[in-house]
Amino acid sequence: QVQLVESGGGVVQPGGSLRLSCAASGFTFSDYGMHWVRQAPGKGLRWVAFIRFDAYNEYYADSLKGRFTISRDNSKNTLYLQMNNLRGEDTAIYYCAKDRGHGGYVAYGMDVWGPGTTVTVSS
Amino acid sequence: DIQMTQSPSSLSASVGDRVTITCRASQGISNSLAWFQQKPGKAPKSLIYAASTLQSGVPSKFSGSGSGTDFTLTISSLQPEDFATYYCQQYNTYPLTFGGGTKVEIK
Repeated sequence: QVQLVESGGGVVQPGGSLRLSCAASGFTFSDYGMHWVRQAPGKGLRWVAFIRFDAYNEYYADSLKGRFTISRDNSKNTLYLQMNNLRGEDTAIYYCAKDRGHGGYVAYGMDVWGPGTTVTVSS
Repeated sequence: DIQMTQSPSSLSASVGDRVTITCRASQGISNSLAWFQQKPGKAPKSLIYAASTLQSGVPSKFSGSGSGTDFTLTISSLQPEDFATYYCQQYNTYPLTFGGGTKVEIK
């Protein structure tokens, strides 16, 4: 079955960096776009970024451009989120999610989500 | 950015009730609207996409409707497992945006 498992979360000081990974299985990873979504404690969902199936295009939430970078390695079936210059407001659970569009050039929305990994930015 | 406004933000209902949640987009998004269910401590689960298409495996008590700016999610007969928070999301335009959520609680 389709499975996504995030890793790489933890406690980091303000200004620090962290790279999250999302291991995918159960589907042809290289055929689907992928998303990162985050959820601050007690708050709602916020979309972070999307990368096309072929990594040709990336899209970001406006407030995160320049600090966060989404990437993927289709040979390893793995999605990444590089997070730099982290701030307290980046504290959240980070979910990776599969886009439902097969070979889609744009996002068609998420159909499968991982369980999430927790990032805490604190001194 | 397209703002997604859900109402109500919370509601209390009884088992067997029919529940309707609304979602309004700040500009037209055609039918590029999805609904998700989230239970405490769990990842969101896809319920509906393209405004009215049921995700595979989701029971038919869930239904969605709407197009343009106004959308609804209806649960025909609320069951104990349906008590959760529900989110709408538009994927018509980047950045993708979610509604603020509707928490469905037991009356």
